[in-house]
Amino acid sequence: GAVVSQHPSRVICKSGTSVKIECRSLDFQATTMFWYRQFPKKSLMLMATSNEGSKATYEQGVEKDKFLINHASLTLSTLTVTSAHPEDSSFYICSASWWLAGGPEQFFGPGTRLTVL
Amino acid sequence: AQSVTQLGSHVSVSEGALVLLRCNYSSSVPPYLFWYVQYPNQGLQLLLKYTTGATLVKGINGFEAEFKKSETSFHLTKPSAHMSDAAEYFCAVTLNDYKLSFGAGTTVTVRA
Repeated sequence: GAVVSQHPSRVICKSGTSVKIECRSLDFQATTMFWYRQFPKKSLMLMATSNEGSKATYEQGVEKDKFLINHASLTLSTLTVTSAHPEDSSFYICSASWWLAGGPEQFFGPGTRLTVL
Repeated sequence: AQSVTQLGSHVSVSEGALVLLRCNYSSSVPPYLFWYVQYPNQGLQLLLKYTTGATLVKGINGFEAEFKKSETSFHLTKPSAHMSDAAEYFCAVTLNDYKLSFGAGTTVTVRA
């Protein structure tokens, strides 16, 4: 099946620094990638939709200047958390979309645990 | 717009017993429906999905779900629970734009 990787899997940073998370589709080209945030014991919250070669579409309430998304190729999207603060600590998950077996499908990365001190 | 409601945030079953997780959706057009499983500190793994055709969908790890349009439901079942089934389960719906709407999730615990 389709594989999506994320790097790093875990990151700890100091408040005020920026952190970049990479999402790669390893064996297929994804025209659309998604970034989610998940709080403990909660469902996934869609942050933004990322299309290759164009600006990301952010969900309401998500600061686009704080969460910078770049989708430079069909296999790579990056999320940069700028000037991170403790409240940005969370589990970030990406996914890549593909049309498979008669319908749309998203393949999820393993997630990145961000801790801001 | 589409949405998903998962009834029951926690389900506890005995090993070997039936697992039943409930999911109801709302959508103005026929949707695509999914069940995902998430283990601690991991991403989501697809259990099964409904696109068109047969309404009873079989997935991995012995799970299956039935699409019932008249009830707007897509409940997930497994005849016999295993300890390894302890996890978080999410129902999700999408139309044609790939954008998923997730339910709140159901935590499954399995008692020995």
